[in-house]
Amino acid sequence: GENVEQHPSTLSVQEGDSAVIKCTYSDSASNYFPWYKQELGKRPQLIIDIRSNVGEKKDQRIAVTLNKTAKHFSLHITETQPEDSAVYFCAAGGSRGGADGLTFGKGTHLIIQP
Amino acid sequence: DTAVSQTPKYLVTQMGNDKSIKCEQNLGHDTMYWYKQDSKKFLKIMFSYNNKELIINETVPNRFSPKSPDKAHLNLHINSLELGDSAVYFCASSRNGEKLFFGSGTQLSVL
Repeated sequence: GENVEQHPSTLSVQEGDSAVIKCTYSDSASNYFPWYKQELGKRPQLIIDIRSNVGEKKDQRIAVTLNKTAKHFSLHITETQPEDSAVYFCAAGGSRGGADGLTFGKGTHLIIQP
Repeated sequence: DTAVSQTPKYLVTQMGNDKSIKCEQNLGHDTMYWYKQDSKKFLKIMFSYNNKELIINETVPNRFSPKSPDKAHLNLHINSLELGDSAVYFCASSRNGEKLFFGSGTQLSVL
C-alpha cells in the first residue's frame, strides 16, 4: 500500500516569512495529492490539491509543487500570518480509482511567531 | 447546512462497553470513510465504503464494525471498548476518492 512521509514534524517561522513542508510517497500509481489544515480541536480541511498531470499550483499565498519522478511534493506558504498556525497534513491517493481513499503523512505543526 | 455530520461529538465510557458513532453526508458522495486520529495526530484510515459496499478494511480489530444502511450514512459500532481505543474518530466522504470532506470528529475517551 501507499506510504507517505512528511517533514518536518514541527516548523516555527517568524510572521511574514515563508514556510515549506515536504512529503514523499511510495506508490507510483497515486495521482492525487491534497493538503489539509487542521486547527486545534477542529476537523481537517482541504486547502489545496494537485493532480499528477500538473507540476505546480498556486492559490494566493499557498502553492504546491509536485515532482512525480522523485515522488515528492511540497507545500509553500508565503507571507505567513498568525492564523496560519495549525497542523498541516499531506496525503496521497487516487490509485484504483480512489477506492483506497487517502493515505496521510504524520502532520507538521506549523507555529507562526509574532 | 453541515455537509458531513457525525454524532456524538464527545463520548466518555467505561472499558468493556459497546458504543456507536453515527455519520451522515448530504453531498451526494459515493464513498464514505472512517479515520482514526491518535494522540500524536496521526490520521489512519480504518474503513472505506463505496455505495454501501465495503472497500477497505485496514488492520482494525474485529470489535469495530461499520454499517452502511445507505450511501449517505456510515455508522461505526465498537464492542468491548479498550483503553487504547481512546482517540478522535473522523467520518469523511468523497466523490471518487478525492477531496475528502471530514465530519467534526468524535472524541472517544475510554476510562
